[in-house]
Amino acid sequence: EVNLVESGGGLIQPGGSLRLSCAVSGFRATNHYKAWVRQAPGKGLEWIAVVYVGDITYYADSVRGRFTISRDESENTVYLQMNSLRGEDTAIYYCTNVYHDYVFDYWGQGTLVTVSS
Amino acid sequence: IVLTQSPATLSLSPGDRATLSCRAGQSVDNSLSWYQHKPGQVPRLIIFDASRRATGVPARFSGRGSGTDFTLIIDGLEPEDFAVYYCHQRSNWPRALTFGGGTKVEI
Repeated sequence: EVNLVESGGGLIQPGGSLRLSCAVSGFRATNHYKAWVRQAPGKGLEWIAVVYVGDITYYADSVRGRFTISRDESENTVYLQMNSLRGEDTAIYYCTNVYHDYVFDYWGQGTLVTVSS
Repeated sequence: IVLTQSPATLSLSPGDRATLSCRAGQSVDNSLSWYQHKPGQVPRLIIFDASRRATGVPARFSGRGSGTDFTLIIDGLEPEDFAVYYCHQRSNWPRALTFGGGTKVEI
């Protein structure tokens, strides 16, 4: 059974850093593409980062240069390093499996990140 | 590529037919998917490649379209179908995976 479990969310001050983790089971993290999608309070879904086989990565304009997606083959885990956090980064962050190059077919339960002083 | 969904809200009754629209700013071929999202729950894949139903999705959900204009149809709304629906696409250059703003289907 495919399972993705996020962790690492919490309250962080503006300008701070946080690293989210996504533990993957049911398939190898490195054999499939993975992405992070977020939903800010009262807003819609926003794709923010994707990592493809070969560790090719792409980012949304809103996070490029501040966030880094990566994965650890030995731990079957995907990460999202978030630096220079802003209030507008407050959101539930979902880890997703990416099928067929762009389809988010499996989702984790999400982890809440709150950026506030 | 900007995805524009309409209407923002659709007020319908159980048994009605829901027609949701998603328009892309430029052609995305058929690389478009639809997701259902209920409050407090995880988003759920409904349709991908414009018209292919995801595993376990009832036949009352159908998708159509290509290029820039896409439609999600729910034929005979069930109580569990009332939710927000998002369309989503892939653009190749620059590579981005964009969501539309969502359509809320409410009772």
